[in-house]
Amino acid sequence: SQTIHQWPATLVQPVGSPLSLECTVEGTSNPNLYWYRQAAGRGLQLLFYSVGIGQISSEVPQNLSASRPQDRQFILSSKKLLLSDSGFYLCAWSVVAGGGNTEAFFGQGTRLTVV
Amino acid sequence: GDSVTQMEGPVTLSEEAFLTINCTYTATGYPSLFWYVQYPGEGLQLLLKATKADDKGSNKGFEATYRKETTSFHLEKGSVQVSDSAVYFCALSLQGAQKLVFGQGTRLTINP
Repeated sequence: SQTIHQWPATLVQPVGSPLSLECTVEGTSNPNLYWYRQAAGRGLQLLFYSVGIGQISSEVPQNLSASRPQDRQFILSSKKLLLSDSGFYLCAWSVVAGGGNTEAFFGQGTRLTVV
Repeated sequence: GDSVTQMEGPVTLSEEAFLTINCTYTATGYPSLFWYVQYPGEGLQLLLKATKADDKGSNKGFEATYRKETTSFHLEKGSVQVSDSAVYFCALSLQGAQKLVFGQGTRLTINP
C-alpha cells in the first residue's frame, strides 16, 4: 500500500534562518506531489505542485521554493524565513482515479513556528 | 474558474445532534467530489467521495450525495459524537486536472 512520510512534525526556527521540509512517498510511481500551507484557523493554500522530477509549478509568489530531486521526494525550502511563514505545512500526493479525476492523500503535516 | 464554497464555521452541536455542512461548487466539466476531515494536529484524511451525479458517498456514518442539478455535495450525519470534532473540507477535481480545488474548511465542535 502507499504511504507518505513528512518530517519533521514540528519545527521552531528563528527569523532569517533557512528551512528544509522533506516529503517522501512509498508504494507508487510518478505521483503528482503537492505542498500546502494552512495558517492558523484558515483553509488550505496550495504552494507548489509537481507532475514529475524537476517539474515544479508555483501557485503563489513568496520566499519559499520547492524541488523534486527524485520521483517520490518533494522538498520545501527557504533561504531566509519570515515570521509570516509560520503555519502548518502539508505534503500530499495524488493519483488519477476512476473517471480520470485526481484523488489526493496527505501527510501528517509539519507545524512550523518562526520566532 | 472552478471553485468550492462551504458553509461558514465554526459549527457547534451537542452530541447526538443531526449534522449538515453545506458545500456547493462551480465547475466547467464533470467533477469528482470529496469530503476530507482534519483532526486536531493532523493531516487531511479522505472521508468520502462521489464520482458522478446522484452517487452517494458514505463512511463512518457520514453521507453526501452528488447533486448535479443544485451543484451541491452536502455532508450529513444523523447523530454526531464528540470524536467527530474536526475541520471538514469539501473538494473537487476535474478530469485531466492536476490539482484539487478545496473549500475553505468548516470547523465542527461537538459538545458532550
